[in-house]
Amino acid sequence: NAGVTQTPKFQVLKTGQSMTLQCAQDMNHNSMYWYRQDPGMGLRLIYYSASEGTTDKGEVPNGYNVSRLNKREFSLRLESAAPSQTSVYFCASSSSERGSGAFFGQGTRLTVV
Amino acid sequence: SQQGEEDPQALSIQEGENATMNCSYKTSINNLQWYRQNSGRGLVHLILIRSNEREKHSGRLRVTLDTSKKSSSLLITASRAADTASYFCASPSSGGYNKLIFGAGTRLAVHP
Repeated sequence: NAGVTQTPKFQVLKTGQSMTLQCAQDMNHNSMYWYRQDPGMGLRLIYYSASEGTTDKGEVPNGYNVSRLNKREFSLRLESAAPSQTSVYFCASSSSERGSGAFFGQGTRLTVV
Repeated sequence: SQQGEEDPQALSIQEGENATMNCSYKTSINNLQWYRQNSGRGLVHLILIRSNEREKHSGRLRVTLDTSKKSSSLLITASRAADTASYFCASPSSGGYNKLIFGAGTRLAVHP
């Protein structure tokens, strides 16, 4: 049981480049999330998906797009990377059961130069 | 803006001591969750307390919730060096039960 798997683990981009961060979960969870974490700070929600086919903006959605491809996969796309997007990105999933805890991937460390 | 704010930002104790971390939140909630993050790793869910509960235990963890004060506390008893980590509270935003918003966290250091 792999849980939540994120790829890649590390990535360096040049300003203006685009990339997609992949996330897959094998727990049959309805809810999936993308967060970013900056040094010494908590997690900030970028986008959220309550179920397949639905997405919702979080606290810091600007500069990002998401796609809930199916129940398992939730991808995050940076269309034109900026240095301000240098961060560690975490994907998470949770059951639709009211108030269940979330499971996190190991993170993608992204540097934009 | 973040839903929860932890206090203190950092805490340093000796093994065997108890560690208490506090969390305040802004809006009404139906549950509040605590997570641990070891350096450079993903978060791990520790415990969830529902709005109709006042206290909950899990092993050496004790969580309290005071909805009238919009605050929660996490107590780790008899701490160990392995408890060294950052601890975050999180609660669903007003938009849904599972749309989790996190606080900035408390960095706990437990010294042997």
